Amino acid sequence: GEDVEQSLFLSVREGDSSVINCTYTDSSSTYLYWYKQEPGAGLQLLTYIFSNMDMKQDQRLTVLLNKKDKHLSLRIADTQTGDSAIYFCAERGGGADGLTFGKGTHLIIQP
Amino acid sequence: KAGVTQTPRYLIKTRGQQVTLSCSPISGHRSVSWYQQTPGQGLQFLFEYFSETQRNKGNFPGRFSGRQFSNSRSEMNVSTLELGDSALYLCASSWAETQYFGPGTRLLVL
Repeated sequence: GEDVEQSLFLSVREGDSSVINCTYTDSSSTYLYWYKQEPGAGLQLLTYIFSNMDMKQDQRLTVLLNKKDKHLSLRIADTQTGDSAIYFCAERGGGADGLTFGKGTHLIIQP
Repeated sequence: KAGVTQTPRYLIKTRGQQVTLSCSPISGHRSVSWYQQTPGQGLQFLFEYFSETQRNKGNFPGRFSGRQFSNSRSEMNVSTLELGDSALYLCASSWAETQYFGPGTRLLVL
């Protein structure tokens, strides 16, 4: 089946930029998403990008999509302690069998 | 608008029992999807309902079932519970290409 891969952990200093990377295998992906999950909570939709776009910016968040390499990244500018969470990359394939999620990246903020 | 609500938030059941979880989508959203989240398997798609019809189904056994009512509220049922069914069950309410998740129901099977 289709797969989405992410690094498990990322550690950054407060105030620096965080870049979370994701690769996917489904060449028919239509939309790609970034979700945030804090402890004990559900998933919060952060942003998403249509597969024919290269970049999307939303305040501190920048999404870059390289469709040729099937690579998606999420950049968080000026990372704060409140950004500490698990970040999930997800894709919606052409078959629309729900979203396929990566295992999530734990973002750790160092003071 | 109010977000997605799920009830109950926590459940403890024993093996062999059955359980029903409920989800109320965002007002105006007609599509509801269910996902299972476990530490080992991560987030996995269970099924999607639109206008009371199951539109898609993930790779789960028939013990997992669901339905959607005319007011778009959805329920999922798990029969003959197994220890491995312990998980966070998340419901998502969809509008066009976006899916908004509820807080989840945490199920513990003993």
